Amino acid sequence: RKEVEQDPGPFNVPEGATVAFNCTYSNSASQSFFWYRQDCRKEPKLLMSVYSSGNEDGRFTAQLNRASQYISLLIRDSKLSDSATYLCVVMLNTGGFKTIFGAGTRLFVKA
Amino acid sequence: DGGITQSPKYLFRKEGQNVTLSCEQNLNHDAMYWYRQDPGQGLRLIYYSQIVNDFQKGDIAEGYSVSREKKESFPLTVTSAQKNPTAFYLCASRAGEWDTQYFGPGTRLTVL
Repeated sequence: RKEVEQDPGPFNVPEGATVAFNCTYSNSASQSFFWYRQDCRKEPKLLMSVYSSGNEDGRFTAQLNRASQYISLLIRDSKLSDSATYLCVVMLNTGGFKTIFGAGTRLFVKA
Repeated sequence: DGGITQSPKYLFRKEGQNVTLSCEQNLNHDAMYWYRQDPGQGLRLIYYSQIVNDFQKGDIAEGYSVSREKKESFPLTVTSAQKNPTAFYLCASRAGEWDTQYFGPGTRLTVL
């Protein structure tokens, strides 16, 4: 089982739609969580951290469910510019700090 | 501007040649990382360094080597021992233990 799993997609949605991605992690010692965005042939960039109480940044909402060991990203009112791959990232300390990247979920927003 | 730079952006290598990818940061970050990304796949850790003059192997270190002589610089050498080096190489750095990582723009290596 992979340490961090994401649905690879692709998700094809029309502009204005709401789309949600989930990510599951296997290690209960995971302590910090992030969503990154990666455009085609570019580097990943931090989109937002994920806090235990859930957090929102404009059209983006991130949630964490420690009991079920998953995090989610909700994008409301999708824009064409949201088309990208979204990476789930987990950090944990098991005697040394470790960062684990999910393989990503591809999103295509269509006009 | 503070940030991470990688050069070159594109690199072509003949089989049997060693090549060195540059990574420089002026963020004053202690930790630096090298990842490899293949099409449709996630990032795989090659090497990382928590401090100057110290570095550790990641999950796929075979065929690669690094050095960390300066805080700002963490070059990666892809040796001829790496059997399938064609990939997108990403360098990252972070400030503290629980800080997230910031990436350079990457180097796309192709073996001819």
